[in-house]
Amino acid sequence: TQLLEQSPQFLSIQEGENLTVYCNSSSVFSSLQWYRQEPGEGPVLLVTVVTGGEVKKLKRLTFQFGDARKDSSLHITAAQPGDTGLYLCAGTVYNAGNMLTFGGGTRLMVKP
Amino acid sequence: EAGVAQSPRYKIIEKRQSVAFWCNPISGHATLYWYQQILGQGPKLLIQFQNNGVVDDSQLPKDRFSAERLKGVDSTLKIQPAKLEDSAVYLCASSYTNGGLTDTQYFGPGTRLTVL
Repeated sequence: TQLLEQSPQFLSIQEGENLTVYCNSSSVFSSLQWYRQEPGEGPVLLVTVVTGGEVKKLKRLTFQFGDARKDSSLHITAAQPGDTGLYLCAGTVYNAGNMLTFGGGTRLMVKP
Repeated sequence: EAGVAQSPRYKIIEKRQSVAFWCNPISGHATLYWYQQILGQGPKLLIQFQNNGVVDDSQLPKDRFSAERLKGVDSTLKIQPAKLEDSAVYLCASSYTNGGLTDTQYFGPGTRLTVL
């Protein structure tokens, strides 16, 4: 059973549209990370959030950590074909060091 | 700075055969991780090393999987005998330290294993 549930699992949109990906859990996490993975490659870290309610922006990407530290969202504005990939959230739990628990991922396709 | 290196990139074997994967972490990184990523799922941690000691191997199927990191640098992951359900991408990652909330894990490209 996955501790982190991501939704939607698949998303296909047109270039220029906005989208939001969700990462939810019943567990409290000490930090939450978002990764992007392209075919044939390993995940690449996009951002780490550690404070409840924290919002971080990375160009057209906005990441939010829920107040209760149980959920997070990734919002992409004006999506581009280069945003296509698998988006993974991963959390670390208190007293568990740096061990990551990953969600199932959201596969995004942005069509030109 | 060189990234995490893994080999081979692809491997096809028949069930009940054995296979080994190799990982060379980023120089100076004390912590090394092996993950299993089944198609359509997120990575699942199999084992974590701190230098050459095991920190966590609770999700490693120890009846068939083994891993070692003898000199605290390179690591090998072995499966013997392989089952059909072992078909997956095996990812290696490394990080500078262990325990920091913002300690970044750097992933290699993975080894795609197909068990026929």
